[in-house]
Amino acid sequence: TQLLEQSPQFLSIQEGENLTVYCNSSSVFSSLQWYRQEPGEGPVLLVTVVTGGEVKKLKRLTFQFGDARKDSSLHITAAQPGDTGLYLCAGAHGNNRLAFGKGNQVVVIP
Amino acid sequence: DTAVSQTPKYLVTQMGNDKSIKCEQNLGHDTMYWYKQDSKKFLKIMFSYNNKELIINETVPNRFSPKSPDKAHLNLHINSLELGDSAVYFCASSQGPPFYEQYFGPGTRLTVT
Repeated sequence: TQLLEQSPQFLSIQEGENLTVYCNSSSVFSSLQWYRQEPGEGPVLLVTVVTGGEVKKLKRLTFQFGDARKDSSLHITAAQPGDTGLYLCAGAHGNNRLAFGKGNQVVVIP
Repeated sequence: DTAVSQTPKYLVTQMGNDKSIKCEQNLGHDTMYWYKQDSKKFLKIMFSYNNKELIINETVPNRFSPKSPDKAHLNLHINSLELGDSAVYFCASSQGPPFYEQYFGPGTRLTVT
C-alpha cells in the first residue's frame, strides 16, 4: 500500500498569516492531487500536479510537486477564514485508484 | 446541476438493520467509487466500478454489497448494520487514467445506534 504522510495534522493560524503544509511519500507517483474538504461536504479537487518540480498557483494557494515526484507542498499566502478546511493530498500510480493522505486540518482565525 | 449526488444525506438506524445509499453522477464518467471516512477523517476506498464492472473490491465485510445498474449510478447496500459501520460514506466518480481525479458527492452520514 502506497502511504502518503501529511504534516502537520493540525494547524491554527491568524487571518493574514502564511502557512505551508506537506505531503510526503517514499513512493513515486505519476501525478498528485490536492483536495479541500469543508465540514459536512465532500472533498473538492483543487489542483493536479504532474511533472517533477512543477509549481501551480490558484489565487493565494501555491502547490509544488517535488523533483522526484514523491512529495508535495501547499503554501497559502495571507490566509483567510474561507481557507479553513481539511486539505487532502492523493497520489495516482495507475491502478484505477488514488492513495489518500490523512489530511492537514487548517483553521484560520479571523 | 449537481455533478455527483447521494441520498440520503443522513441515515440513523439501529444495529441489525439493512440500509441502502444511492449515488448518481451526471459527469459522463465511466468509473465510480465508494469511500468510507472515519471519525479521524481518513478516506478509505471500498469499491470501484468501471462501466458497471467491479474493478476494486477492498477488504470490506461482505455485509457491504455495491450495485451499479448503469455507469451513472452506484448504490451501496449494507446488511446487518453494526456500530462500527458508523461513518461518512462518499461516492465519487472519475474520468479514469491518467490522473483519476475524483469528483465527490456530499456524503452520507450513517449513525448506527
